[in-house]
This record gives sequence, structure tokens and C-alpha cells, in this order.
Amino acid sequence: GQQLNQSPQSMFIQEGEDVSMNCTSSSIFNTWLWYKQEPGEGPVLLIALYKAGELTSNGRLTAQFGITRKDSFLNISASIPSDVGIYFCAGQVGNFNKFYFGSGTKLNVKP
Amino acid sequence: NAGVTQTPKFQVLKTGQSMTLQCAQDMNHNSMYWYRQDPGMGLRLIYYSASEGTTDKGEVPNGYNVSRLNKREFSLRLESAAPSQTSVYFCASRVPVTEAFFGQGTRLTVV
Repeated sequence: GQQLNQSPQSMFIQEGEDVSMNCTSSSIFNTWLWYKQEPGEGPVLLIALYKAGELTSNGRLTAQFGITRKDSFLNISASIPSDVGIYFCAGQVGNFNKFYFGSGTKLNVKP
Repeated sequence: NAGVTQTPKFQVLKTGQSMTLQCAQDMNHNSMYWYRQDPGMGLRLIYYSASEGTTDKGEVPNGYNVSRLNKREFSLRLESAAPSQTSVYFCASRVPVTEAFFGQGTRLTVV
């Protein structure tokens, strides 16, 4: 299957700090999606990217679709305790009905 | 506003038992998906259905069968459960090329 390499695996940061995480792949993707998952819940979409080079913001979150179409990053500015959770990238390649997930970045925010 | 509904939320099975996980969506989406989530491995695609009447294998289909009963419902069946199938199972639905919406998950333990 497709391999999405997501890093870092986990982060421990202080409230107010900025956070950056990314996903890379050897495959070219048509769409990049970033999800957040909280304990006991399903993933919830944060940002969707549909074009290479696209930079999109959602409040304190900013994500970019890499120019090579093989990578994407997510930044969170001025982190707050409710940012705690697991963040997943997901990419869609070829067949538009299939998309694949990275292994997740677990974010811990210390008040 | 239900979205994607999964039943049951929790299940314990003995090795060799069978069961069906149910999923229903009320968003009139064509595509539906089953994922499993294991610690540190993100979400892996088991099966998907691009539209009513069609199903296709994902990354990890062995040991599972699916049925797209109608546009709303997509079920996942374990014919003979094994401990390796202990996982959290998520159903999702989407309109192609847009973001997927997830259910809250079914936590399955096979002993």
C-alpha cells in the first residue's frame, strides 16, 4: 500500500508555543487532508488541500500542499491545552476513492 | 444531525466467533469506507465502496467481508475472529475528492 511518513511521532510542548508537523511520501498525491483525533472519537477534518502549492489556514492552523505533491505540513500557532490530540495526515493518490493515513503525531500541551 | 453512525461501540468476541459491524450515514454520500486503527499505525483501509453495489479491497482486507446494503449502509463482517483483529474500527463516508466524515468507532477485542 501507499506509505505516508508522518513526523514527529509525538511532541511535548508548552502552552503558547508553535508546532510544526509534516508528512512525506514517495508517491504523488492529488489531495492532502489533515485530521485531529481526540480520545474515544473518530478523526475530524481540520484542513483540506487540493492543489500543489496551496496554503490554507483555519484559525491558528496553517497547512500547505507541497509543490512536488509528495509532502504536506501542518503548523499550529500559539498552542493551547485543547490542541491536545493525535494529528493525522491523509493523502489521496490515483483512484479518487482511496486515501491513506499517516501514523499520526501525538501532541501534548503543558499549561 | 447524525452524520456517520456505527454500532456497536464496544464488542468482545471469542476467537472463531463471527460478527457484523454496522455503519450508516445520512449525508447522501456515494463513497463509504472501513478502516482499522492500531496503536502507532494510523488508520489502515480495509475495504471501501465507491457507490451502491460496488466494493473494493483496501490495504488490509484479509479476514473481512463487506456489504454495501444500500446507499446509506455499509457493513463489515468478521467470519472467524482472530486476536490479530483486535482493533478500533472506523467507518467513514464522503463525496469523492472531498473530505471524509468518520463515525465514533467500534472497539473490538478478540480473546
